[in-house]
Amino acid sequence: QVQLQESGPGLVKPSETLSLTCTISGGSISNYYWTWIRQSPGKGLEWIGYIWYSGRTNYKSSLKNRVTISLDTSNNQISLKLTSVIAADTAVYYCARELVGATGWFDPWGQGTLVTVSS
Amino acid sequence: QSVLTQPPSASGTPGQRVTISCSGSSSNIGSNTVNWYQQLPGTAPKLLIYSNDQRPSGVPDRFSGSKSGTSASLAIRGLQSEDEADYYCAAWDDSLNGLIFGGGTKLTVL
Repeated sequence: QVQLQESGPGLVKPSETLSLTCTISGGSISNYYWTWIRQSPGKGLEWIGYIWYSGRTNYKSSLKNRVTISLDTSNNQISLKLTSVIAADTAVYYCARELVGATGWFDPWGQGTLVTVSS
Repeated sequence: QSVLTQPPSASGTPGQRVTISCSGSSSNIGSNTVNWYQQLPGTAPKLLIYSNDQRPSGVPDRFSGSKSGTSASLAIRGLQSEDEADYYCAAWDDSLNGLIFGGGTKLTVL
């Protein structure tokens, strides 16, 4: 059974870069889309973007200039980098596997990791 | 403001049937499939319905999904206290070339 686990710093200073890793266990990166989604405190879900196992990416247009999603197939990990963070980037960040690309069919999800942007 | 519109709240008593709507447009629900997620308090979202009306293994058949035109619905029959959660719809949007979520509906079991 595939399991996902997010990891990374829980506190990032404004204007710095948020970096998170999602470790995939119990399955392979191959043949799936891997997605990052975030949820601001008390708010709804926001899709950040995905990476296809081939390395092709697609990002939310409003975040495109600041976000990078990449793969590390040797370690079965995907990563998220978000530059020039502001307070509004404070959120729980989830990684998820998308079973069919560009459908929003996400299963499973990681447990999420809270990242707070504050000085 | 979300591109997919859900009522912010819904409620019902144990045993009742409740429905949650998700309204979109031709560029999202009208041309793509809809998925539903259940988020219990303090936990990650869980896939509840995919491809408009399909239930993943392990999801009780009390949950069902449907789609018509540019709207979709999630129905829960035989409401139970453990169904109290936030529910989100999601669909790909061809105009935005991205995935969009509804704003979420908080279901209260009275």
